[in-house]
Amino acid sequence: ETGVTQTPRHLVMGMTNKKSLKCEQHLGHNAMYWYKQSAKKPLELMFVYNFKEQTENNSVPSRFSPECPNSSHLFLHLHTLQPEDSALYLCASSQERLGIHEQFFGPGTRLTVL
Amino acid sequence: EDQVTQSPEALRLQEGESSSLNCSYTVSGLRGLFWYRQDPGKGPEFLFTLYSAGEEKEKERLKATLTKKESFLHITAPKPEDSATYLCAVREINSGGGADGLTFGKGTHLIIQP
Repeated sequence: ETGVTQTPRHLVMGMTNKKSLKCEQHLGHNAMYWYKQSAKKPLELMFVYNFKEQTENNSVPSRFSPECPNSSHLFLHLHTLQPEDSALYLCASSQERLGIHEQFFGPGTRLTVL
Repeated sequence: EDQVTQSPEALRLQEGESSSLNCSYTVSGLRGLFWYRQDPGKGPEFLFTLYSAGEEKEKERLKATLTKKESFLHITAPKPEDSATYLCAVREINSGGGADGLTFGKGTHLIIQP
């Protein structure tokens, strides 16, 4: 595997379900991110992890719960979601060092909440 | 007020017809401006990073430029495979110096007709 991978690629869940999204980066980066992409809206930053520590929570509802057990893996735990949470969830990673800040994205998980 | 505004929202060109996409931004301090390409159902693919006004970068038929208020993505003699949504994003100067999220525009949907 290379780059940033995400599983599952597609997920359909009911409002009472609990599910998790997984992201893994194979780039040796030290920062990871969750973004939400909804139709007709720009990508929205959800969470930032720097060296496994959460450094930003962009006013995300508590029904989204991130977890970063190490610098290569990132999870997004979902529970009691609403239909408006249906979107493409993108994971990204970057190497934070002087002059280098590019974020590389995974293919995303297409989430549908019924 | 939007920090990143892209125009036009959509652009349809004939193969070989050169044009430019615009990204205007308002931030207190720019750490970097990023261009991405996104194909349907996929995650954004990194193209360029620009750090300071006057900087230019090229890749095949694409050239990105930066001023203090906006960036342009010039497409020279485009081909149908250049059809995609082009996203612009900015990163503000973070006093903490750690990882930080990107602020994205809504994108320009580019269609190149053969």
